[in-house]
Amino acid sequence: EAEVAQSPRYKITEKSQAVAFWCDPISGHATLYWYRQILGQGPELLVQFQDESVVDDSQLPKDRFSAERLKGVDSTLKIQPAELGDSAMYLCASSFRQARTEEAFFGQGTRLTVV
Amino acid sequence: AQKITQTQPGMFVQEKEAVTLDCTYDTSDPSYGLFWYKQPSSGEMIFLIYQGSYDQQNATEGRYSLNFQKARKSANLVISASQLGDSAMYFCAMREGQDSNYQLIWGAGTKLIIKP
Repeated sequence: EAEVAQSPRYKITEKSQAVAFWCDPISGHATLYWYRQILGQGPELLVQFQDESVVDDSQLPKDRFSAERLKGVDSTLKIQPAELGDSAMYLCASSFRQARTEEAFFGQGTRLTVV
Repeated sequence: AQKITQTQPGMFVQEKEAVTLDCTYDTSDPSYGLFWYKQPSSGEMIFLIYQGSYDQQNATEGRYSLNFQKARKSANLVISASQLGDSAMYFCAMREGQDSNYQLIWGAGTKLIIKP
């Protein structure tokens, strides 16, 4: 069964280091999302791609976070430098298209701990 | 203002009982979609059920049904015959229309614990 692949599952990094997460959406899904989820809260959208274009990155802390989806397929989210407050679950999701009826399919997430 | 409100931070329910998880929403867009997701402790988000704003009937998927009351802007999830494996966080989410890039807007979630 098709699924969204994310790696790594877990990452521990020291404050001020760089960290990167990778996501491979379901084949054929044009829309890709990166979310950050603090424990006990709902997901917060960081960036939304339509193919290779960013359609919304208004909540992405651009001084330290960057995201790319160069060929409109897989995507990388980078944090440099990491801060203690970045400890969270980072979820990647994809959907076939941008539409109100489209469910988003999620990967298993990357649990980041910054020490 | 909160667009999705889940008023129950946590719930305990006896196994085999039915449970209702509350969700109210706020939108001026006549065209929107409502979703429920389950998030077990392992972390992945699992899609459960969808309701469109123009759908005349309440959505059902197996043991899950959605009690959609459009005038009250309410979309409660009903789980019938609860099982121990239903213990998880449950999130209500909404997609509005084109102007918002069809973003998913999320509630804060309800933690459901099923007691044996």
